Amino acid sequence: AQKVTQAQTEISVVEKEDVTLDCVYETRDTTYYLFWYKQPPSGELVFLIRRNSFDEQNEISGRYSWNFQKSTSSFNFTITASQVVDSAVYFCALSETPQGGSEKLVFGKGTKLTVNP
Amino acid sequence: AAGVIQSPRHLIKEKRETATLKCYPIPRHDTVYWYQQGPGQDPQFLISFYEKMQSDKGSIPDRFSAQQFSDYHSELNMSSLELGDSALYFCASSTPSGVTDTQYFGPGTRLTVL
Repeated sequence: AQKVTQAQTEISVVEKEDVTLDCVYETRDTTYYLFWYKQPPSGELVFLIRRNSFDEQNEISGRYSWNFQKSTSSFNFTITASQVVDSAVYFCALSETPQGGSEKLVFGKGTKLTVNP
Repeated sequence: AAGVIQSPRHLIKEKRETATLKCYPIPRHDTVYWYQQGPGQDPQFLISFYEKMQSDKGSIPDRFSAQQFSDYHSELNMSSLELGDSALYFCASSTPSGVTDTQYFGPGTRLTVL
């Protein structure tokens, strides 16, 4: 069965610090997709990134970067020079290529990030 | 760019009442997903539709039903509401492209059952 573990429940940092959010996943499938979503205090779920299981290349987008390592089943997310606006709950999610089913997302419990001025 | 639209944004109901949540997917998206997020919880998959047919079902109570219409919008019907149904209900849409596509979420409907 699919499972996503975000061991860090809450993280608090001071503005301009770098912070890494951990995500470890379990799946028996060889083809799967990993996602990160951001949920700010306003409540919406904002898509950040999608990565498929065949693409282990790390990605950088501005202050955000992602490190995907199949060997450790991890897909970690780093925010460089954090800002107050980064304060949110961040969810890691997993989707398997379906065999007749839909591509539903299985979410981790989320990590609440608070960036203090 | 157009996003997923959900209505209403907030809904207050009494126990045992009925509620209907609506979802309008991004144009040209033909797959709709419903998720329920309890307070302090992660979103949990309820049900999905592809081309107006139910494609998968998660932990959705029998009191809930849903459908997707010819214009691809979807409605989640909830009957005999219970206090525990109070949650944020998200709709997401995607378009199948032979491989998993990204699910884009609407702003959610916050349901409060009193």
